Amino acid sequence: NAGVTQTPKFRVLKTGQSMTLLCAQDMNHEYMYWYRQDPGMGLRLIHYSVGEGTTAKGEVPDGYNVSRLKKQNFLLGLESAAPSQTSVYFCASGGLQGSSGANVLTFGAGSRLTVL
Amino acid sequence: GQQLNQSPQSMFIQEGEDVSMNCTSSSIFNTWLWYKQDPGEGPVLLIALYKAGELTSNGRLTAQFGITRKDSFLNISASIPSDVGIYFCAGQTTNFGNEKLTFGTGTRLTIIP
Repeated sequence: NAGVTQTPKFRVLKTGQSMTLLCAQDMNHEYMYWYRQDPGMGLRLIHYSVGEGTTAKGEVPDGYNVSRLKKQNFLLGLESAAPSQTSVYFCASGGLQGSSGANVLTFGAGSRLTVL
Repeated sequence: GQQLNQSPQSMFIQEGEDVSMNCTSSSIFNTWLWYKQDPGEGPVLLIALYKAGELTSNGRLTAQFGITRKDSFLNISASIPSDVGIYFCAGQTTNFGNEKLTFGTGTRLTIIP
């Protein structure tokens, strides 16, 4: 019962380098999200997807791109990393819960990214 | 955008004490969720609230969905060491096809030996 799996767990980049964070879920959820967590800021939504082939911007999308080519995977890309992107990144997936429409999320364990 | 104010930001308590924290919003939510994050892990759902006025318990945890739909409360009774962590509230406005949660900034709970 893996739930939501993120890779890698840790990464150190130099300014200007690119990288991709991978998120995989095995719960057949339609919705997937990428959040970043910074001290004192809580969780801020970067991008999200409401289904395979769809993506949308969240609260802090600049400097990031995403793709959802397969339902179970949601990729977060940094084309040219900046020190301001040093953070812990969390992927989450969710599905509508019954008639209430509530979207209860399951989170991955996080990916800690440091940009020097 | 919507903002959630969560308080207190941090709490230092002794084992066995009761804990109360709350979350207030500038706008109405139709769902309130409470998550807990252990060090080095992702948030895990504790309690979900779906109706105004609803009071729901999960073991020693009790959460309430405020009548105005702009606030929610979480209480922990008789705290134990494993309660240490960061607690996040989250609110959702039901909007099919655009389901997003807004998270509070978290309450960090520390238990003093």
